[in-house]
Amino acid sequence: DTAVSQTPKYLVTQMGNDKSIKCEQNLGHDTMYWYKQDSKKFLKIMFSYNNKELIINETVPNRFSPKSPDKAHLNLHINSLELGDSAVYFCASSNTGVGPNEQFFGPGTRLTVL
Amino acid sequence: QQPVQSPQAVILREGEDAVINCSSSKALYSVHWYRQKHGEAPVFLMILLKGGEQKGHEKISASFNEKKQQSSLYLTASQLSYSGTYFCGTASGSARQLTFGSGTQLTVLP
Repeated sequence: DTAVSQTPKYLVTQMGNDKSIKCEQNLGHDTMYWYKQDSKKFLKIMFSYNNKELIINETVPNRFSPKSPDKAHLNLHINSLELGDSAVYFCASSNTGVGPNEQFFGPGTRLTVL
Repeated sequence: QQPVQSPQAVILREGEDAVINCSSSKALYSVHWYRQKHGEAPVFLMILLKGGEQKGHEKISASFNEKKQQSSLYLTASQLSYSGTYFCGTASGSARQLTFGSGTQLTVLP
C-alpha cells in the first residue's frame, strides 16, 4: 500500500565509505526527485528524473549519482561520504500532467556519517 | 532563489488562528504548501496557481497574490494535530522544480 518507499530508513557509516539509498513509487508517476534536508530543516532539491531522464541536477557534488532503472525507481549512490553529507534524504514523486501536481514524499533516510 | 517564510515559529493555544506567509522575489507559477511533523515526511496540503485563487481544506485555507508574489496559509480554530513545520514550495514558469522556504514551526498547545 505504501506510495513512496525508501530503504534503508537509517544509515550509519564511516567517512570515506560508499553507500546507496533506494526509492520506489507505486503511484504510476512519471517524475521522481531526491531532496536533502539538513539539521536546520532546509529542504533542498538535488535531482529530478522524468521518465528515467535527468531533468534537474542542482549544484550537488559529483560524489552523488542518481540512477533511474525505470519510472518507478530512483536510487541515489554516494561515494566517499563526508561528515557534511549527514542529513535526511527524501525521495518524492509526482505526475507531470496538465498543470503542476503535488509531490508525494517517501519516509526519508537518515544518513549519519561518522 | 529561496522564498521567504514568516514567522519562523509560532505558538498557539487550541482554537486560535494563525497566518503563515510566503513571499518570493521571482514571478511565480504556483505555490505548494506542505506540513511536516517531527520525524516524518512532508505531507501535501494544497497547490495554488497564479491567478490569485484561494483554496480551502477544512479549516486550513490559502491565498495567492500574484502581483505581490506572495501566498498566505490560514489556519483557523487550530487543533493539536496542526502542530508541525509548514513549508511553502514555489515554482516559476511551468517548471516542476520546487524551491522550498525555510519553514514555519507551528506549535499548538492545549
